[in-house]
Amino acid sequence: DIQMTQSPSSLSASIGDRVTITCRASQAIRNDLGWYQQKPGKAPKRLIYAASSLQSGVPSRFSGSGSGTEFTLTISSLQPEDFGSYYCLQHNNYPITFGQGTRLEIK
Amino acid sequence: QVQLVESGGGVVQLGRSLRLSCTASGFTFSTYAIHWVRQAPGKGLEWVVVIWYDGSHEQYGDSAKGRFTISRDNSKNTVYLQMNSLRAEDTAVYYCTRSGRGPFDAFDMWGQGTMVSVSS
Repeated sequence: DIQMTQSPSSLSASIGDRVTITCRASQAIRNDLGWYQQKPGKAPKRLIYAASSLQSGVPSRFSGSGSGTEFTLTISSLQPEDFGSYYCLQHNNYPITFGQGTRLEIK
Repeated sequence: QVQLVESGGGVVQLGRSLRLSCTASGFTFSTYAIHWVRQAPGKGLEWVVVIWYDGSHEQYGDSAKGRFTISRDNSKNTVYLQMNSLRAEDTAVYYCTRSGRGPFDAFDMWGQGTMVSVSS
């Protein structure tokens, strides 16, 4: 199984801050990775697909990068509505696996 | 409207069975694989199972092997998850999601989820 190690597990940041979340895969997954935002009580929402492609309708302050085993989600200027949990998902191989999640709190 | 809608969740006793449904609308259902993903209270996301677009193949996660069975009826745009021998650790919100042939539609759409509570 491919393990996805996501960090940090939680962070607190201020409005306007640049925020970075990282996922590391235990083996190369090309760019078969997506990033998701989840608000309490809601389904996950895809932000990024193919590691760096922005989902339609998602603000451009979100960006993704990486390939192989190292991936990054960046929020360039944090907004109040960006609170919630963030997950990476690899779909290069079965079983599909997720990172452990990052809980983002707005200071 | 393009959507996935789960149903069938509820409270069930230890060791009993439950069948979840995932019904699609607004897109060509028969060209997509459908997955179930679950989330235990306060925990992260866990992939459970997938069924190929034509029902020809399934793949199960370790937590589902031997107890859960996925099936689909493309004439009804519906996927089913039969869950047997339920355990306390199966308590979770169950989401269905889809994947197509390329990265653009890989896990792009999710249902609202249905809650399963396994009680003693």
